[in-house]
Amino acid sequence: GAGVSQSPSNKVTEKGKDVELRCDPISGHTALYWYRQSLGQGLEFLIYFQGNSAPDKSGLPSDRFSAERTGGSVSTLTIQRTQQEDSAVYLCASSPQGQSIQPQHFGDGTRLSIL
Amino acid sequence: DAKTTQPPSMDCAEGRAANLPCNHSTISGNEYVYWYRQIHSQGPQYIIHGLKNNETNEMASLIITEDRKSSTLILPHATLRDTAVYYCIVTEYDMRFGAGTRLTVKP
Repeated sequence: GAGVSQSPSNKVTEKGKDVELRCDPISGHTALYWYRQSLGQGLEFLIYFQGNSAPDKSGLPSDRFSAERTGGSVSTLTIQRTQQEDSAVYLCASSPQGQSIQPQHFGDGTRLSIL
Repeated sequence: DAKTTQPPSMDCAEGRAANLPCNHSTISGNEYVYWYRQIHSQGPQYIIHGLKNNETNEMASLIITEDRKSSTLILPHATLRDTAVYYCIVTEYDMRFGAGTRLTVKP
């Protein structure tokens, strides 16, 4: 079956521009997560959506970062006024429920490069 | 603060068992032990998870000590395609990844 899909796979933009990254989770998965991975580093948690509950935004690094999840399915991560330190791979994951017994399934990420 | 400690790198001969250790001395009763791996340029791939008991699936075995303060991931017959970064995570829901162990399987 279809896995987690992220688009675009690569994005190059100029410093100061806004970018939107899209995540299509696995159908029926109610939990959705965004992570960031800088070159050679581990994953950094950004935000977590579970059903209709208020999202856990505790990992967002600044107010330039925001995310939405419409209709409990597709999610968009928006970065405003991009900076060079925002360059990283942005990974999305989904799971059937936001409980530890359910493993997360990851997409292959969006590689964001800020010039 | 890191919840897990893993060696930064390990080597393993092809066809031999790879045993990857993880220390998680501050694990709480509700937290599971998860293992993922990440092959270059791909998203992390789920391997196995457990709470208290040892677990086995088609990919690997997970051995958790009785006090739950450490665990070992076992790849019984490592192949070259198992070369990857392996992450051990203790969690209730969100996956806080550390630096992991870079496993290199050598012919």
